[in-house]
Amino acid sequence: GAGVSQSPSNKVTEKGKDVELRCDPISGHTALYWYRQSLGQGLEFLIYFQGNSAPDKSGLPSDRFSAERTGGSVSTLTIQRTQQEDSAVYLCASSLNIAGTSGGAGGELFFGEGSRLTVL
Amino acid sequence: KNQVEQSPQSLIILEGKNCTLQCNYTVSPFSNLRWYKQDTGRGPVSLTIMTFSENTKSNGRYTATLDADTKQSSLHITASQLSDSASYICVVIRGSARQLTFGSGTQLTVLP
Repeated sequence: GAGVSQSPSNKVTEKGKDVELRCDPISGHTALYWYRQSLGQGLEFLIYFQGNSAPDKSGLPSDRFSAERTGGSVSTLTIQRTQQEDSAVYLCASSLNIAGTSGGAGGELFFGEGSRLTVL
Repeated sequence: KNQVEQSPQSLIILEGKNCTLQCNYTVSPFSNLRWYKQDTGRGPVSLTIMTFSENTKSNGRYTATLDADTKQSSLHITASQLSDSASYICVVIRGSARQLTFGSGTQLTVLP
């Protein structure tokens, strides 16, 4: 597609339920990032995928969070046994390559519109 | 500790006025610095990318400056418009890390 697509745009769930959030990156982008944005806070890094390399999971807040990227394209972020503190906007971004390798367009991040998760 | 701090947290100005947003960082090593604009309910959109050697870069009415010695950046908005109302986020990227460090943003409101 023309941009990064995320779904659902809004999700309301009950505490303890599992949720899946989907990200469809820009075609050809090898790098994919997941971030969490709580109200009034900066973006919090969750996980990073680059090509076929092992993902950088260092930002995942607990073992209830997991993510996968199938076929080097679509990614799914799964939150198990959701808690109220998981309520936030989950943003996905993709880029042509690793963001730090170039100051130019190749490392530019393109964000999706986000998935707003509300845990009741 | 790698941090990015932005000021002010929020700013209200009248349409047509200029404003300057600040970003101080302690991220090291430094690769590049970016400013993003995030409209309410939308994802961030890139305004500028600045490398270590760049002191200033413009994108229309937006001008970003970078002082790598003092580790400060600013975003100047000229002749503000109502559509400039948004959160402006400063992001610093380390030399070889995969993680980007985000500031918490400045919420700008432009009033008619």
